[in-house]
Formats: sequence, C-alpha cells, structure tokens
Amino acid sequence: QQPVQSPQAVILREGEDAVINCSSSKALYSVHWYRQKHGEAPVFLMILLKGGEQKGHEKISASFNEKKQQSSLYLTASQLSYSGTYFCGTEGGAGNDMRFGAGTRLTVKP
Amino acid sequence: GAVVSQHPSRVICKSGTSVKIECRSLDFQATTMFWYRQFPKQSLMLMATSNEGSKATYEQGVEKDKFLINHASLTLSTLTVTSAHPEDSSFYICSARSAPWEYGYTFGSGTRLTVV
Repeated sequence: QQPVQSPQAVILREGEDAVINCSSSKALYSVHWYRQKHGEAPVFLMILLKGGEQKGHEKISASFNEKKQQSSLYLTASQLSYSGTYFCGTEGGAGNDMRFGAGTRLTVKP
Repeated sequence: GAVVSQHPSRVICKSGTSVKIECRSLDFQATTMFWYRQFPKQSLMLMATSNEGSKATYEQGVEKDKFLINHASLTLSTLTVTSAHPEDSSFYICSARSAPWEYGYTFGSGTRLTVV
C-alpha cells in the first residue's frame, strides 16, 4: 500500500534540476510532498488533489496524474538548502491515514 | 501555522522499563493523530491512528499491548512503549492533519528512543 518512489538518491550541483517520481497501485485521493532534514521532522511542501493538478512553490513544483496515479516533484535551479530526503505521502480518502514512499535522498553540492 | 509539540525529543531507558511520548496540537484541535516509526535512512512507517475518545487503530504487525496509545483530549495523544527492548530503539514521530486542510499534515519534532 506504500507508494513507490524513484529515484532512491540524487546528487546535484547547485543550479541543476531534478525530478522525483511517486506512483501508487491504488486510487488516490491526494498526494503530499514533504522534505526531511537529518534528525528533524518532515516539513510539508505541497498537497495535490485528485482531479489532476499542478502546483508551484517558488522553484519547487509538482504534478499529479490521477489516471496514472502518479505524481512528480520538480526541483529547478537547485540550492544547497534543497538537500534532504523527500517523501511523497498518499491518501486513499479525505482524512485517511497517509502512507509514505521510501524517500529520495537529494544532495546538492556547491 | 499549525504546530504539533512532541516530548521528549530524546530519551534513553533501560530494557524492561516503559516510556511515554506526548504529542500535543498547540493551536488546533486534532481528533485524529498518527504515530509513525522511522529507522535510520528509512521511510516513516505508520504504526497506528489515534482517535480522540476511542480506541486506536493499529497497523498490521504492530503490537497494541506493547505500544499503548491514548488520545484523551482533542489536543493530546500519547504513545507508551511498554517493557522496552533494544529493538524498540527508533525515531518515533506523531502527526496531525493541519488546519486549514490544504496545509497537509503537521509533524511533531520526533522522539529518539534508545533502549539500553
């Protein structure tokens, strides 16, 4: 029931772009994206609802393809502060428990 | 924004003792809270869903008698690890649905439990 995330790890230079993918085998109500720094709690980035949508958050944006039950997180012109582990979380219904993908470890180097 | 306070942040206990972890929603009411467990470099695994005024719902494979959850009020949920063993050492983190809804889930700061 956990969504599948890819890639497992990404190493970038500052200014480069990255895409992180998240897919589910079951129908989804929403997809969430979080970033977690080492030893800290996950921080909410954005939520996308069924019906398919795309959102932007500064240089971080995401899309949700409801038909394919897939979501992608786009990181453009990466900054050192983007380093961390990115998790997608999926809900099967409104207010239902959220399941997390295995995470994508992103490292941005100078 | 919504804040979830979790205490303690770190705890070391001896094998066989019990540890209580508190999770409070500070500026909103959380009828439902979620408890996760995270091993190093791994994902957050849902342990149980805590419901105010009713019994918690545990995920398959999680021992409800070992991980006692109490949701006594709309702002407080507690997780008690009973008769702790070294294999219970982990990072435990709670979360609640934020208000407003479109802000996703807010997480507590987590509790690093070490059983010696």
